Amino acid sequence: DIQLTQSPSFLSASVGDRVTITCRASQGISSYLAWYQQKPEKAPKLLIYAASTLQSGVPSRFSGSGSGTEFTLTISSLQPEDFATYYCQQWWTFGQGTKVEIK
Amino acid sequence: EVQLVESGGGLVQPGGSLRLSCAASGFNVSSNYMSWVRQAPGKGLEWVSVIYSGGRTSYADSVKGRFTISRHTSKNTLYLQMNSLRAEDTAMYYCASYYYDSPEGGWFDPWGQGTLVTVSS
Repeated sequence: DIQLTQSPSFLSASVGDRVTITCRASQGISSYLAWYQQKPEKAPKLLIYAASTLQSGVPSRFSGSGSGTEFTLTISSLQPEDFATYYCQQWWTFGQGTKVEIK
Repeated sequence: EVQLVESGGGLVQPGGSLRLSCAASGFNVSSNYMSWVRQAPGKGLEWVSVIYSGGRTSYADSVKGRFTISRHTSKNTLYLQMNSLRAEDTAMYYCASYYYDSPEGGWFDPWGQGTLVTVSS
């Protein structure tokens, strides 16, 4: 089974910072990787699918890239509402999550 | 508006059973791949089960043989029958539509708000 490993698991950042989260697959996967944002006590929300396509309504400061075994989610300028946990997903596998907290 | 609303969670003793429901509006449960995803307290997301549009089902190894996914077409509702429940099944259970447009994979969207299952004596 494919495993997805996110790094870092936790990051502390300030409003306005550029943030990058990496998702590495245990073996080469298709480009159909998705990213989700989850806030406390809320359901996950789809941000990006097919590695780099922004879901409708998601701010353009979010972007995704990558192929093969390494994918990245970038937030170009962190906003207060972006403090949350982020997950990558491919088929039935999720990464372990990256919690973004306020520095 | 597309909406998924789960219900049926609660407190159950180890070895007990529970049936979760997920009522859909704005789209057709039977025409889509529908899935259950769970999240134990303080933990990450874990896929549980999927029912494909053709009716075939698939399960995570952790629930195989104990959980059954099904759907009711006229009620436009997804179900998860959970038997032989264990403490490690304690989690928030989300239903989600799995959007699949390529043999290379898909993604989960939309999601319901979740229903909490607690397995404890």
